[in-house]
Amino acid sequence: LAKTTQPISMDSYEGQEVNITCSHNNIATNDYITWYQQFPSQGPRFIIQGYKTKVTNEVASLFIPADRKSSTLSLPRVSLSDTAVYYCLVGPPRVESKIIFGKGTRLHILP
Amino acid sequence: ETGVTQTPRHLVMGMTNKKSLKCEQHLGHNAMYWYKQSAKKPLELMFVYSLEERVENNSVPSRFSPECPNSSHLFLHLHTLQPEDSALYLCASSQDGQNNSPLHFGNGTRLTVT
Repeated sequence: LAKTTQPISMDSYEGQEVNITCSHNNIATNDYITWYQQFPSQGPRFIIQGYKTKVTNEVASLFIPADRKSSTLSLPRVSLSDTAVYYCLVGPPRVESKIIFGKGTRLHILP
Repeated sequence: ETGVTQTPRHLVMGMTNKKSLKCEQHLGHNAMYWYKQSAKKPLELMFVYSLEERVENNSVPSRFSPECPNSSHLFLHLHTLQPEDSALYLCASSQDGQNNSPLHFGNGTRLTVT
């Protein structure tokens, strides 16, 4: 599985756009990039998934450059409730791929 | 409502007790997972089932015993646990083989072993 590297923590303010970048230099051809959000004492929640270029949904955008060696999760106009841990995962969508979570990025939104 | 329901939400048990955690998914998925999340540590994959067959056992001690009677239900049977087994136990499901099928998690069972 491709190893991912993301910042341990980030701070931002309400109303700002937050970008969290994940590095995955050894991403394979059939790997997808998936981001999850986790609040304390809850299970992670799927945010967005992409393979290349840009993906946007009602929650976030995911930017993936042509070489796919990194990706950026963009959260527009964050609020206090966006304070959470954000995980970047890279891998093929099969159970045998052993979906492994890293330490994630602890995002703290300040008023 | 996540589509994946775990019970109980909280559980306190002694080291000599036997208990079971239950997970039920209403999403029509065919793969189910158990993860363990200890304080300040990443999620650890414990077991994976696909079409009710175990496909992954991630070197988990035998005091944890999974059971998947059908594609909608997953159990984790616990016996003679240790205090270090105290953690949040998370169940997840996915549609195996589909390119755009991420994991759907329940809200977990907070287990305390005394």
